[in-house]
Amino acid sequence: SQQGEEDPQALSIQEGENATMNCSYKTSINNLQWYRQNSGRGLVHLILIRSNEREKHSGRLRVTLDTSKKSSSLLITASRAADTASYFCATDSSASKIIFGSGTRLSIRP
Amino acid sequence: DAMVIQNPRYQVTQFGKPVTLSCSQTLNHNVMYWYQQKSSQAPKLLFHYYDKDFNNEADTPDNFQSRRPNTSFCFLDIRSPGLGDAAMYLCATRDRGQETQYFGPGTRLLVL
Repeated sequence: SQQGEEDPQALSIQEGENATMNCSYKTSINNLQWYRQNSGRGLVHLILIRSNEREKHSGRLRVTLDTSKKSSSLLITASRAADTASYFCATDSSASKIIFGSGTRLSIRP
Repeated sequence: DAMVIQNPRYQVTQFGKPVTLSCSQTLNHNVMYWYQQKSSQAPKLLFHYYDKDFNNEADTPDNFQSRRPNTSFCFLDIRSPGLGDAAMYLCATRDRGQETQYFGPGTRLLVL
């Protein structure tokens, strides 16, 4: 079953602009993770935010988590062509497995 | 470099002909996962191993089986592939006590 819904489904921005993706989920979570997937490749872990955290930074990435609204956002600042990929949120509510959201396809125009 | 390896990267099989996809890891992680990902969709968990303990998702078709002969290797067997089984199959690992999953590059399966 799909836990997370992401919006927008697709996003196209100019290089150098910021990109914001949102994720909503349904049940209580231990943590929420964001992964990136380049076309035809496996997923790469970007950042994890725990249920007791509200904001986390890693390089050009900023993640927020609002457990009362069951939502998270991923902000990529100063986007680059290499950021073109699909981005998935994934919620961890049990010990061994995570459930992925529907994903956002991000395209960076040069 | 420690990594998750999937072979082959592309697999073509015939309708109904059994096929096996393989995954190996040099990370020595005790948890291994198999996901199915169809075009423009989220990865869907099929099953996972916690050490030797096998955990099947409730909606995984009986057509899909898995073997984990040792820590390093895990196999996905599709007994009678149908056209609807054409997808990317992703293997992932996770270390005990950690939350991050490490993915292989995937095997794209085509069923003719």
